[in-house]
Amino acid sequence: DIVLTQSPALAVSLGQRATISCKTNQNVDYYGNSYMHWYQQKPGQQPKLLIYLASNLASGIPARFSGRGSGTDFTLTIDPVEADDTATYYCQQSRNLPWTFGGGTKLELK
Amino acid sequence: EVQLVETGGGLVQPGKSLKLTCATSGFTFSNAWMHWVRQSPEKQLEWVAQIKAKSNNYATYYAESVKGRFTISRDDSKSSVYLQMNSLKEEDTAIYYCTRGYPGIDWFAYWGQGTLVTVSS
Repeated sequence: DIVLTQSPALAVSLGQRATISCKTNQNVDYYGNSYMHWYQQKPGQQPKLLIYLASNLASGIPARFSGRGSGTDFTLTIDPVEADDTATYYCQQSRNLPWTFGGGTKLELK
Repeated sequence: EVQLVETGGGLVQPGKSLKLTCATSGFTFSNAWMHWVRQSPEKQLEWVAQIKAKSNNYATYYAESVKGRFTISRDDSKSSVYLQMNSLKEEDTAIYYCTRGYPGIDWFAYWGQGTLVTVSS
């Protein structure tokens, strides 16, 4: 299985940049696409798709969110951070079955 | 508007069975690739099962942790997907989400609100 590793938590100040990382133990690239996706989950809610194929913004997601990376190293950036962004962020790969998720990074405000 | 509504969760004893239902609307269900994803009390997300469309022969796939115990199925006439869970274990305790995957790439753009399954004696 492809293992995705995220830092458990990150604290940033309002208006600053948050960078959340996700590292995989196998390459998730395939024919020019990186099969890496990002989700936001707030307490008591279902996950919400933010980014698909590493860098594509999902419908309705503000441009403050961006994703980049390839191979085994990926980042989700929120710039600038707003109060409503406090949540847990998960990465997910769909390069190989079983589809797997990272452990999540909880974003908190300083 | 795309909607996915899960039902059927509850408290069940180890070794027993439970069947989850996901009723959908707002999209062409017959073409959709559907999944179940669960979230443990520790908040870890785990993909559980997938069923493709009729054009893909309704192919199914499972996580190793549930293979042989869980069965995913669908009824296109009811726009619904199901998860039959047998021989339940305490480690199956989780919120179970129904999701719609993007065919062939399998990101999850649409999620239900989830249904809680608790396995305990």
